[in-house]
Amino acid sequence: GESVGLHLPTLSVQEGDNSIINCAYSNSASDYFIWYKQESGKGPQFIIDIRSNMDKRQGQRVTVLLNKTVKHLSLQIAATQPGDSAVYFCAASQGGRRALTFGSGTRLQVQP
Amino acid sequence: DGGITQSPKYLFRKEGQNVTLSCEQNLNHDAMYWYRQDPGQGLRLIYYSQIVNDFQKGDIAEGYSVSREKKESFPLTVTSAQKNPTAFYLCASSDTQGFSYNEQFFGPGTRLTVL
Repeated sequence: GESVGLHLPTLSVQEGDNSIINCAYSNSASDYFIWYKQESGKGPQFIIDIRSNMDKRQGQRVTVLLNKTVKHLSLQIAATQPGDSAVYFCAASQGGRRALTFGSGTRLQVQP
Repeated sequence: DGGITQSPKYLFRKEGQNVTLSCEQNLNHDAMYWYRQDPGQGLRLIYYSQIVNDFQKGDIAEGYSVSREKKESFPLTVTSAQKNPTAFYLCASSDTQGFSYNEQFFGPGTRLTVL
């Protein structure tokens, strides 16, 4: 099976700084990875995804890096804003099983 | 508006009762999923369905049942056999056209409390 874990349960950053949230996965057969943002009491919102044939993908203010050698991925948020405060989850899936295995989440706190 | 709806938002039930959580999507997605989330935890997969009239158990299916009679609907029943049903339940759907992986879109969730 797959297990996914985030390195830090909580990350506190200053407004305007860059944030980096790290995630490790266990199954080398995982070939799709995705980051979600979840605000309190709401469903997760898609941020960015990446397939295993890539090692970097950029979106608006966000970048995901994938290192398959050490089974690690990270989410970078540029110029962090108060609205970025939320819990961030990474998830992975593999092969024919399209369902995702989620990590436990990192709470990002943005200090003004 | 296209999206996923879950109802009700809050649900209370007495011990020993079965309860059904609704999930509807109008995104024309083939695949639908149910996850459970406990406080401070990630999401755990209960059941998923890749096509109408077919579904598979996820990692924590015991005490739950589902049906997929229509493409747009994937109701989840929490039975009395589920030992600790109090949790936040999330439904999701995704487009499985071809062999590409696509993001899962989540509903707003149902918070179930057993009294």
